Amino acid sequence: SYVLTQPPSVSVAPGKTATITCGGNIVGSYGVHWYQQKPGQAPVLVIFYDNDRPSKIPERFSGSKSGNTATLTISRVEAGDEADFYCQVWDYNSDHPGVFGTGTKVTVL
Amino acid sequence: DVQLVESGGDLVQPGGSLRLSCAVSGFSLNTYSMTWVRQAPGKGLEWVSALSASGDATYFADSVKGRFAVSRDNSRNTLYLQMDSLRAEDTAVYYCTNIVRGYFDSWGQGSLVTVSS
Repeated sequence: SYVLTQPPSVSVAPGKTATITCGGNIVGSYGVHWYQQKPGQAPVLVIFYDNDRPSKIPERFSGSKSGNTATLTISRVEAGDEADFYCQVWDYNSDHPGVFGTGTKVTVL
Repeated sequence: DVQLVESGGDLVQPGGSLRLSCAVSGFSLNTYSMTWVRQAPGKGLEWVSALSASGDATYFADSVKGRFAVSRDNSRNTLYLQMDSLRAEDTAVYYCTNIVRGYFDSWGQGSLVTVSS
């Protein structure tokens, strides 16, 4: 099965920009989706299909993809953005299609 | 409003069985494919299983294949995860979500399953 690799942690000062990468062979083949999970809460979708944003998600959250690496960018970081972030791909050609990234803890300094 | 409510989590001994339920409101289960995702304590998200919108196709992670089954009751608008031959490593919070074009849109609050003697 595929592996999606993320950095374990990212630290960023308030007002600065955080970038989280998600790499793997499958990334270039399908849309990449991103979730934010705060402690004790269920995950929340923040980006779908590489760079689309649900209506309730602030414009500060954006996504991009190049080759086999997807990137989630959080601009003008706020203290409330501190959370775990996961990328995800749905492999339509597999009999176990759900794939999550290893997860990244974003710490706001 | 869309709402998903998981239930059925409990403490169970290794080798035991448990059935989780996910009661859905705001949409009909035969409208979307559905999926179960779990999270072991202090660990990341792990995809577990999925059921197609038509109800005739199921998918499982290798870690649970042959031990877990997924089904639904359209009349109750409820999704189920039957878990047999449980192991300590199945200990996790289990979430149900609907699948929209490959992404997981609405999530429940989760149900805790603890496998321990």
